[in-house]
Amino acid sequence: GESVGLHLPTLSVQEGDNSIINCAYSNSASDYFIWYKQESGKGPQFIIDIRSNMDKRQGQRVTVLLNKTVKHLSLQIAATQPGDSAVYFCAGIPYNQGGKLIFGQGTELSVKP
Amino acid sequence: SQTIHQWPATLVQPVGSPLSLECTVEGTSNPNLYWYRQAAGRGLQLLFYSVGIGQISSEVPQNLSASRPQDRQFILSSKKLLLSDSGFYLCAWSEGTGDGGNQPQHFGDGTRLSIL
Repeated sequence: GESVGLHLPTLSVQEGDNSIINCAYSNSASDYFIWYKQESGKGPQFIIDIRSNMDKRQGQRVTVLLNKTVKHLSLQIAATQPGDSAVYFCAGIPYNQGGKLIFGQGTELSVKP
Repeated sequence: SQTIHQWPATLVQPVGSPLSLECTVEGTSNPNLYWYRQAAGRGLQLLFYSVGIGQISSEVPQNLSASRPQDRQFILSSKKLLLSDSGFYLCAWSEGTGDGGNQPQHFGDGTRLSIL
């Protein structure tokens, strides 16, 4: 079946350092991936997405890498700031699943000043 | 630009009472609409999705139902709430491509439901 999962439930980094949040997926959850940021008491906020025909995509201070060989994707945040503290989710849409997102359990990022 | 609204933000209800949560989307037409529940363990579980008016697909058997009376309105309901219905309920939308397609979903700010 399909599954998407994050490697670590919590991550603590120093302000100004780069953060890397990892996610693995099963064989069928492999068509399209999204990273979300969720702050306390709010809904998930779209950060960046990547399609399965790409290896890398960059946004403002964020980069998503997709390694289809090992079924792994990561979110890199450059120069992490206190405002980046939140729970980060990866989500995937399996092939032929009509856009249904499957979410990982989330990684809580804490930024130390 | 598109916006999504959910209300109320918080709700405390007694066991056995009815429920109606509403979600509306502005700035787009014929969106796909979704209801999720997020338990304290952080993962989001898809409850219902809709690709058009009156078209509802249920993902898990439960005490809840959904309806889409208008193109940009999605309602989550229950006739009798259970303690296990407590949680954080999130509505989301994506561009309507018929089957959902590979489009990002955009979320509202949720309703925190507590059942006493």
